[in-house]
Amino acid sequence: GAGVSQTPSNKVTEKGKYVELRCDPISGHTALYWYRQSLGQGPEFLIYFQGTGAADDSGLPNDRFFAVRPEGSVSTLKIQRTERGDSAVYLCASSLSGSGEQYFGPGTRLTVT
Amino acid sequence: ELKVEQNPLFLSMQEGKNYTIYCNYSTTSDRLYWYRQDPGKSLESLFVLLSNGAVKQEGRLMASLDTKARLSTLHITAAVHDLSATYFCAVDREYRDDKIIFGKGTRLHILP
Repeated sequence: GAGVSQTPSNKVTEKGKYVELRCDPISGHTALYWYRQSLGQGPEFLIYFQGTGAADDSGLPNDRFFAVRPEGSVSTLKIQRTERGDSAVYLCASSLSGSGEQYFGPGTRLTVT
Repeated sequence: ELKVEQNPLFLSMQEGKNYTIYCNYSTTSDRLYWYRQDPGKSLESLFVLLSNGAVKQEGRLMASLDTKARLSTLHITAAVHDLSATYFCAVDREYRDDKIIFGKGTRLHILP
């Protein structure tokens, strides 16, 4: 079956611009996660959705970052007034609620120039 | 705060040799994961270890878990070039179905 998909695969934007990153989870997975992976580092948690609601957004670095999941499936990570330090690979994962095992998408590589 | 430490962070080894990657974590956790990541690619799940003493093997890789020592190992037997990748250890918090905490990764380079 189809895995987690993310679009775009690459995004280059100028400092100060607004970007949206999209994640399509595995069908039927109620839990969705966003992580950020900087070069040479492990992924770092950003936010976790259970259904439509954000169950834990403690990893969002500041109020420029926001994520939604209005229908409990597709999620969009939104970054306002991008900064060069936001450059990273943004990974999305989904899981069946309660199973624990998260399945990761291919990621979106964001470059802020 | 749950922390995960891996060592070594970088490992260069010859084909045919054995080696072990170590993963320590700071607090109780009920699931430990090992992932593989190739350059420019996403994470591939290798093992999920759920209980003390758990051991899993897949090909030349074997993972074990000691929850009392808060230690997991990933052992590589008779390494081959195709195993070159970055390996991440990760844990989640006990009794919580939410975020996974990752180590910094071990970049493994196997010389032919």
